[in-house]
Amino acid sequence: DAKTTQPTSMDCAEGRAANLPCNHSTISGNEYVYWYRQIHSQGPQYIIHGLKNNETNEMASLIITEDRKSSTLILPHATLRDTAVYYCIVRPTNAGGTSYGKLTFGQGTILTVHP
Amino acid sequence: GAVVSQHPSWVICKSGTSVKIECRSLDFQATTMFWYRQFPKQSLMLMATSNEGSKATYEQGVEKDKFLINHASLTLSTLTVTSAHPEDSSFYICSARPNPGQGGIDTQYFGPGTRLTVL
Repeated sequence: DAKTTQPTSMDCAEGRAANLPCNHSTISGNEYVYWYRQIHSQGPQYIIHGLKNNETNEMASLIITEDRKSSTLILPHATLRDTAVYYCIVRPTNAGGTSYGKLTFGQGTILTVHP
Repeated sequence: GAVVSQHPSWVICKSGTSVKIECRSLDFQATTMFWYRQFPKQSLMLMATSNEGSKATYEQGVEKDKFLINHASLTLSTLTVTSAHPEDSSFYICSARPNPGQGGIDTQYFGPGTRLTVL
């Protein structure tokens, strides 16, 4: 599985954009980049995913570089409720086998949003 | 949509007893579910992949006889921690991957977790 590298922690002021980087330099051509977050003592929550193109949904935007070796998750207007651990994960795309779609979580980035 | 529940949300048990944790996909069917364990201040560690109608696939280092997984229907997987000991105390989280053709996103949806404390 391709590995990802994220900063250990980041701070952001409430109302400002939070830009969380992720390095995945060994990503394969058909592997997706997924982002999840985990608020303290809860299960992870899906945020967004992408392959090549930039993606946007109601929660965030995902910017993937042209060489696909890195990406940035953008929370456009961070709130206190966005304080969480954010995980960037590259998902294997093997279509067969009983472990299709399994996710490998790294340490993630602890994002703290300040008032 | 895409809601996954776990029961119980927390449990305290005595050493040597067995504990069963249920994971349900409430509004979709899932042939494949996953079980994770998370120790304090650590990331999620995948324990096993649960497949409806077949044996679970365990990750390296996870004892299959200690962590029994049953996936008897397309909406329910159970994890039984047998002969629990204090070192098994952890946060157990399940996830479910919707079967193709149900619409939505091809990803895992996670339950809220079960906190197990073994005395």
